[in-house]
Amino acid sequence: DAGVIQSPRHEVTEMGQEVTLRCKLISGHNSLFWYRQTMMRGLELLIYFNNNVPIDDSGMPEDRFSAKMPNASFSTLKIQPSEPRDSAVYFCASRGNEQFFGPGTRLTVL
Amino acid sequence: QKEVEQNSGPLSVPEGAIASLNCTYSDRGSQSFFWYRQYSGKSPELIMSIYSNGDKEDGRFTAQLNKASQYVSLLIRDSQPSDSATYLCAVNFSGGYNKLIFGAGTRLAVHP
Repeated sequence: DAGVIQSPRHEVTEMGQEVTLRCKLISGHNSLFWYRQTMMRGLELLIYFNNNVPIDDSGMPEDRFSAKMPNASFSTLKIQPSEPRDSAVYFCASRGNEQFFGPGTRLTVL
Repeated sequence: QKEVEQNSGPLSVPEGAIASLNCTYSDRGSQSFFWYRQYSGKSPELIMSIYSNGDKEDGRFTAQLNKASQYVSLLIRDSQPSDSATYLCAVNFSGGYNKLIFGAGTRLAVHP
């Protein structure tokens, strides 16, 4: 099992550009979580899906953020337009009985 | 408000000592509890899960759960410098689907 896969691992972009982060779940898991982590705010839950259905998106900071889960194994988190304050590490996590994190995407918005 | 509380630390212990990390939670109905370790620049890594009152041991790690006191702890025996990391407590609150509530983490420093 390859674990949770995230891409890209690093992203540097300019303010105003669209950013798309990708996540592949562990086979057989039915819940997916998107988190953001910064030194100032710690680990924040943005949104989570259960069986492809968004359950709670109250952590999504603004309408600039959107997430989709088009099938049982794949999800995207999109930021459009991006801003410097979006700079953070974004983690995807997959859960069956236990929850496992992907390696993260380090996003820098200049 | 569903909360998980941890002392932010740093908790400094000498090599070979026992490190004790503590966590309290607000929801009495919670059933599942987890400890994650996060090295600087890395993602959180699941190291222990516990579901029943009492102790659960895995190598040098022991998780302890007391649901009546709403308290979960992690003991690390024979601490090594490689154990230096931030330890996150996570709780699956009742009625929360599979959603975990994370504490802010305790930073552990093991010095030679």
